[in-house]
Amino acid sequence: DAGVIQSPRHEVTEMGQEVTLRCKPISGHNSLFWYRQTMMRGLELLIYFNNNVPIDDSGMPEDRFSAKMPNASFSTLKIQPSEPRDSAVYFCASSLTTSGGAYNEQFFGPGTRLTVL
Amino acid sequence: GQNIDQPTEMTATEGAIVQINCTYQTSGFNGLFWYQQHAGEAPTFLSYNVLDGLEEKGRFSSFLSRSKGYSYLLLKELQMKDSASYLCAVVDSNYQLIWGAGTKLIIKP
Repeated sequence: DAGVIQSPRHEVTEMGQEVTLRCKPISGHNSLFWYRQTMMRGLELLIYFNNNVPIDDSGMPEDRFSAKMPNASFSTLKIQPSEPRDSAVYFCASSLTTSGGAYNEQFFGPGTRLTVL
Repeated sequence: GQNIDQPTEMTATEGAIVQINCTYQTSGFNGLFWYQQHAGEAPTFLSYNVLDGLEEKGRFSSFLSRSKGYSYLLLKELQMKDSASYLCAVVDSNYQLIWGAGTKLIIKP
């Protein structure tokens, strides 16, 4: 298995530009998570999808952030307009959540390092 | 509120044993994870505890006491490659995963 795939691996953009991050989860996994990690704030959950449906987006910082999961094999996280404080590493993770609600390990992608100038 | 506490940084010697503690106050409990994260890389799964006691997996062991809201990760026979951050994460009653800030472990020869 190729694991969780994220693109791009690095993104440098200017303030005000739109940024789109992409994620392909592990085949067969039904839960997908977007995280942001910074030195100051650590690992923060932004949004969580289960069976392509957003379950919890309480971590999305503001309206500039949006996420979609049009099918089981693809998700995007968009920032529009981007700001310097959005600079961070953005991780996508996937897992298999069983019907009993048992929480299984998450497999993380390599991350996208975003720098907003 | 929900809170997970871990030491910010620890230092240990190659070949020795180190224990990384994690205490938590969460709304309910449905399990505790430990993840390892090397600098510049993604977190990777180490262990999952949902019942009290010690789970051993090679050089790594994880302990849980639900009544005390406490867990530790024990690393034996430390190797230089164990230098990394170790993240504690708790699943609360709503099946939300609450992450600690992580403990940076420095291994010295």
